[in-house]
Amino acid sequence: GAVVSQHPSWVICKSGTSVKIECRSLDFQATTMFWYRQFPKQSLMLMATSNEGSKATYEQGVEKDKFLINHASLTLSTLTVTSAHPEDSSFYICSAHRTSGEETQYFGPGTRLLVL
Amino acid sequence: QKEVEQDPGPLSVPEGAIVSLNCTYSNSAFQYFMWYRQYSRKGPELLMYTYSSGNKEDGRFTAQVDKSSKYISLFIRDSQPSDSATYLCAMSAPPGKSTFGDGTTLTVKP
Repeated sequence: GAVVSQHPSWVICKSGTSVKIECRSLDFQATTMFWYRQFPKQSLMLMATSNEGSKATYEQGVEKDKFLINHASLTLSTLTVTSAHPEDSSFYICSAHRTSGEETQYFGPGTRLLVL
Repeated sequence: QKEVEQDPGPLSVPEGAIVSLNCTYSNSAFQYFMWYRQYSRKGPELLMYTYSSGNKEDGRFTAQVDKSSKYISLFIRDSQPSDSATYLCAMSAPPGKSTFGDGTTLTVKP
């Protein structure tokens, strides 16, 4: 149990386009999901906390108009990188917080974004 | 000062060695303690989950939590090359998001 999926696993796009990344909890409901960004050989950087049915909470320095988050249901959160630029190229990872059993975060496999 | 400090590494050991990974923390409200393993270009996977103080064993892995010292450890016995990865400690206070260490990269050489 406690499986989290992400789609797509990798994406290449042109500068100026928008990219949507989906995060799904497959076998549990998650009222809270988290979005992270990770640069090579660096630790996870929390971007925002996504709450089902309400606005996301963004960490300091993260542009909410740049990284749009929607948590439409208890099993799905989406991150849209708007008007992507090469500096947005990174590894994006979501996690879902399970509130039963082992109450902790379970991570998705990550999405590698390359903006040309 | 960070809430969670993790031994930075990198750590390189021969196959079969016992590995000790450690984190300290400052927030006494933390009650849930986790260890995640992250392979290159993959998302972190939950390895061990512990509530409050004590030890937990799962195969070759043992997690220890000492709340009085605000210190947690992960021990890996009979380490294997497949254990080579980055290990992240994490902890949380209920309810709430986890706070992560920066990770320790482990290499187990055959």
